Amino acid sequence: EPEVTQTPSHQVTQMGQEVILRCVPISNHLYFYWYRQILGQKVEFLVSFYNNEISEKSEIFDDQFSVERPDGSNFTLKIRSTKLEDSAMYFCASKQRQGQPQHFGDGTRLSIL
Amino acid sequence: QKEVEQDPGPLSVPEGAIVSLNCTYSNSAFQYFMWYRQYSRKGPELLMYTYSSGNKEDGRFTAQVDKSSKYISLFIRDSQPSDSATYLCAMSAGTSYDKVIFGPGTSLSVIP
Repeated sequence: EPEVTQTPSHQVTQMGQEVILRCVPISNHLYFYWYRQILGQKVEFLVSFYNNEISEKSEIFDDQFSVERPDGSNFTLKIRSTKLEDSAMYFCASKQRQGQPQHFGDGTRLSIL
Repeated sequence: QKEVEQDPGPLSVPEGAIVSLNCTYSNSAFQYFMWYRQYSRKGPELLMYTYSSGNKEDGRFTAQVDKSSKYISLFIRDSQPSDSATYLCAMSAGTSYDKVIFGPGTSLSVIP
């Protein structure tokens, strides 16, 4: 069964450094998302992306965050200057069309030192 | 009032038991209701996906939605040790690119 794949599985970065998290959504999906889950807390929406632009973003998704679909298969989340509180699991999700459910990857665990 | 509430557990049951998991929500705009299963250090895995009120069955799993009460349930029959995981209820308003709002999850252990 097709799946959303994310790399790396674990990223360790010094505070203030830039980090790029990568995702390959399911191939025929058109809607793309990033969520995060701080340890012990619920999964929270960050941003949705459709037709090469951001559709919606949460208040968490500030100017330090950006997303990009650089080619036909990858979807990336960039954090420009990481903070300690950015430490979390980051999940990529995709769905095919309206009315279909979102499917999630296994996440990237981001640890900021 | 939180948008989606869910008893965090932990819930511990013997193998073969029927498990009932529940969520309440406050936003009447929600139209799509999901249950995801999450194993430790893994992503949410879609179990059930329903639209509006009613019941849906898939193998040992049954999802129920009561929009009038803003209450959703997941029943697991003949529970197995492999069902041990965190169960996340989730919902969305159903617009084109809408976000999913998750509950905090219920931790379930099925004891052999």
